[in-house]
Amino acid sequence: DGGITQSPKYLFRKEGQNVTLSCEQNLNHDAMYWYRQDPGQGLRLIYYSQIVNDFQKGDIAEGYSVSREKKESFPLTVTSAQKNPTAFYLCASSIQLLETQYFGPGTRLLVL
Amino acid sequence: KNEVEQSPQNLTAQEGEFITINCSYSVGISALHWLQQHPGGGIVSLFMLSSGKKKHGRLIATINIQEKHSSLHITASHPRDSAVYICAVRFNFGNEKLTFGTGTRLTIIP
Repeated sequence: DGGITQSPKYLFRKEGQNVTLSCEQNLNHDAMYWYRQDPGQGLRLIYYSQIVNDFQKGDIAEGYSVSREKKESFPLTVTSAQKNPTAFYLCASSIQLLETQYFGPGTRLLVL
Repeated sequence: KNEVEQSPQNLTAQEGEFITINCSYSVGISALHWLQQHPGGGIVSLFMLSSGKKKHGRLIATINIQEKHSSLHITASHPRDSAVYICAVRFNFGNEKLTFGTGTRLTIIP
């Protein structure tokens, strides 16, 4: 079955620690995205990638980093510089940049 | 400022009722999306439209470009329709990203 997967479902971060959220898709989509969702707010774009080996900052990229070494993978690292990382993180992909996006199930990040 | 507003924020209705959720935006757009977020957090894209009307099953989405307004209708609502419905738009002029509304939480009571 084609789809987009995220792992883990829940992730706990200690102070000063970097953590990496996984996002994998087997839809053969060129574009991939990372969003952050906070209660009472709309989804906000962290980073996006139009094609492999390319990525661009979104609206709230500070404290985050990404890589796109393979077409099917777009991991997000939440660095210690992100002071308020507790949120629900959603990964999405689309055939091309302006097309309908397909979302993963999300990762909930909590700070210990 | 490029903004997206949804109304109502919360909506509770009886099973079988006709549901309308509204989305307004501030400036010109190239596309508008309606998405559904289930209680577990997963998001499904329902519609992408730039003009007119689209229908899928019991769901109907309309857009009025001149009035900068879109509606999502659900006919013969069912408890399984309970979810958060999110409007997202792609604004014109150099914007490659979507701007999301805060969502409408719909609860359908049996």
